Amino acid sequence: AQTVTQSQPEMSVQEAETVTLSCTYDTSESDYYLFWYKQPPSRQMILVIRQEAYKQQNATENRFSVNFQKAAKSFSLKISDSQLGDAAMYFCAYRSGRGSNYKLTFGKGTLLTVNP
Amino acid sequence: GAVVSQHPSRVICKSGTSVKIECRSLDFQATTMFWYRQFPKQSLMLMATSNEGSKATYEQGVEKDKFLINHASLTLSTLTVTSAHPEDSSFYICSARRLAGEFNEQFFGPGTRLTVL
Repeated sequence: AQTVTQSQPEMSVQEAETVTLSCTYDTSESDYYLFWYKQPPSRQMILVIRQEAYKQQNATENRFSVNFQKAAKSFSLKISDSQLGDAAMYFCAYRSGRGSNYKLTFGKGTLLTVNP
Repeated sequence: GAVVSQHPSRVICKSGTSVKIECRSLDFQATTMFWYRQFPKQSLMLMATSNEGSKATYEQGVEKDKFLINHASLTLSTLTVTSAHPEDSSFYICSARRLAGEFNEQFFGPGTRLTVL
């Protein structure tokens, strides 16, 4: 079974600064997807960024980028120019790329605080 | 597009009663819907996978007779918590997998907070 580990229960960053959230995963599969989701106080899950394992290029979405190290099974999220609205719980998630199993496996989450 | 709604957003019930939670994909068809449970300050735990027109697949440790799931159409899945008890109090989130699209992405509902007195 796949596992996702987020080793930082809480992180804080100053507004306008950069922060990196860590995520490692364990899998024997070669075809899979990785995701970062944001859950603000409203509890609505929001997709931040996705990465296909077969792509070597790191995904980027505006101020959000990932550092995907497939061999190390590491998938960190970098938030640049942090804004107050970035404060939320962030979950790393894994999804198999095979067959009809579209289940997401989530890490325990990292609570990000943005200080003004 | 790709909006998922849940109803109700919060419900309070007495111990022993049953509660039904609806999950709807408003602007797309979803052959698969997922039900999650989230305790305070914890991650989402998958309870079951619901496929339209067939029986739900439950994760290990989830009682299928207690958490009844029905996925009668491509836009609606329901979760019924039967004979609810205080320990069933939690935040329940559904997600729907869009039929079309490259990534078969899941879209999440806003969640339902269940409080059992």
